[in-house]
Amino acid sequence: EVELVNSGGDLAQPGGSLRLSCAASGFTVSTSYISWVRQAPGKGLEWVASIYIGGSTYSADSVKGRFTISRDNSKNTVNLQMTNLRVEDTAVYYCARRGGDHGFYYLDSWGQGTPVAVSS
Amino acid sequence: EIVLTQSPGTLSLSPGERATLSCRTSESLGSSYLVWYQQKPGQAPRVLIYGASRRATGTPDRFSGSGSGTDFTLTISRLEPEDFAVYYCQKSGSSPPFTFGQGTKLEIK
Repeated sequence: EVELVNSGGDLAQPGGSLRLSCAASGFTVSTSYISWVRQAPGKGLEWVASIYIGGSTYSADSVKGRFTISRDNSKNTVNLQMTNLRVEDTAVYYCARRGGDHGFYYLDSWGQGTPVAVSS
Repeated sequence: EIVLTQSPGTLSLSPGERATLSCRTSESLGSSYLVWYQQKPGQAPRVLIYGASRRATGTPDRFSGSGSGTDFTLTISRLEPEDFAVYYCQKSGSSPPFTFGQGTKLEIK
């Protein structure tokens, strides 16, 4: 059974750092596309970053230069290193796996989310 | 960057009624790249429709998707109590950013 478990969310100060983790089971992250999606309190979904099978990474303009997505194949985990945090980064962060094939792609499995609060 | 605009923001209907949700894109989007998700309070989103019109595994057949170009629609033929939730459209594919619409809240009238 495919499962994603999010962890690492916490209260941080503006300018601080956090590292979120997404532990996968039932599949191998090294052969999957994994994304992070966040949701600010009472707001909609926002794509944050993705890591591709070949290791290429992409991130939203709102986090570029501050957030880094990476993969630890030995632990079957995808991480999101968040630095220089801002109040507007406050959100629940979900990791999700891309499913589908032949050009039809979608996020088919999601973690439970981990909350990040940035406040002084 | 393609912008996805959903309407209405909130839709108030009764069980048994038909719901029609719209997602408009700022540029033409290949149909294979439009996905619909459902999110209930306190839960992660789950995929309903991909490729604009293909039902994901487990999606009831009262849900249908249609559209092409810049106009896409999610239709729920007869609302069940469990269908009241927030719905998001998303641009998928292999080229980021993978933008979401702002969501449509479907509430019980």
